[in-house]
Amino acid sequence: GIQVEQSPPDLILQEGANSTLRCNFSDSVNNLQWFHQNPWGQLINLFYIPSGTKQNGRLSATTVATERYSLLYISSSQTTDSGVYFCAVNQAGTALIFGKGTTLSVSS
Amino acid sequence: DAGVTQSPTHLIKTRGQQVTLRCSPKSGHDTVSWYQQALGQGPQFIFQYYEEEERQRGNFPDRFSGHQFPNYSSELNVNALLLGDSALYLCASSGRGGTYEQYFGPGTRLTVT
Repeated sequence: GIQVEQSPPDLILQEGANSTLRCNFSDSVNNLQWFHQNPWGQLINLFYIPSGTKQNGRLSATTVATERYSLLYISSSQTTDSGVYFCAVNQAGTALIFGKGTTLSVSS
Repeated sequence: DAGVTQSPTHLIKTRGQQVTLRCSPKSGHDTVSWYQQALGQGPQFIFQYYEEEERQRGNFPDRFSGHQFPNYSSELNVNALLLGDSALYLCASSGRGGTYEQYFGPGTRLTVT
């Protein structure tokens, strides 16, 4: 099956810093999603990005499908950005396969 | 527009008991998937329901079963609970047979004692 690897596993930042999270996947996919899991466990949809680049406020994401990776950029980080960020992929109509996540801690 | 809802929020059960978790998909969605998330891990796929049938199943024993109703809502049943079943159970819904973006509910946190 498809393997999903996320890096780094942990990231500690000061408020205002920028960061880049990476997701590598082992096979071609039809769907790639980035999620932020809040302290209560809710998975918040950040991006649905099988290819290309998208931006939403301080967050942006780029997926290069031909090279099988995706990047999530967080600029001017805030304490509320803390939590676990997951990348998940699937092929058409199948289950999402998640990476192990990147745990981000932003301190003021 | 209501998102994905799940009930109950929290549940405590004893080993050997049975449990039923419920999920209502986002409006307009027809596909429901269930995931188990152990502490410190990413969600693991249990199964997916579409048109009231189990379409795909992950590596989970037969103690895990489910159902989808005509209104697209779904149940997850777990029999003969083990301590290792303690986890956050997440429901996700998507449209067009699961082709598009998946949205997750808030989860049910199950504790087995």
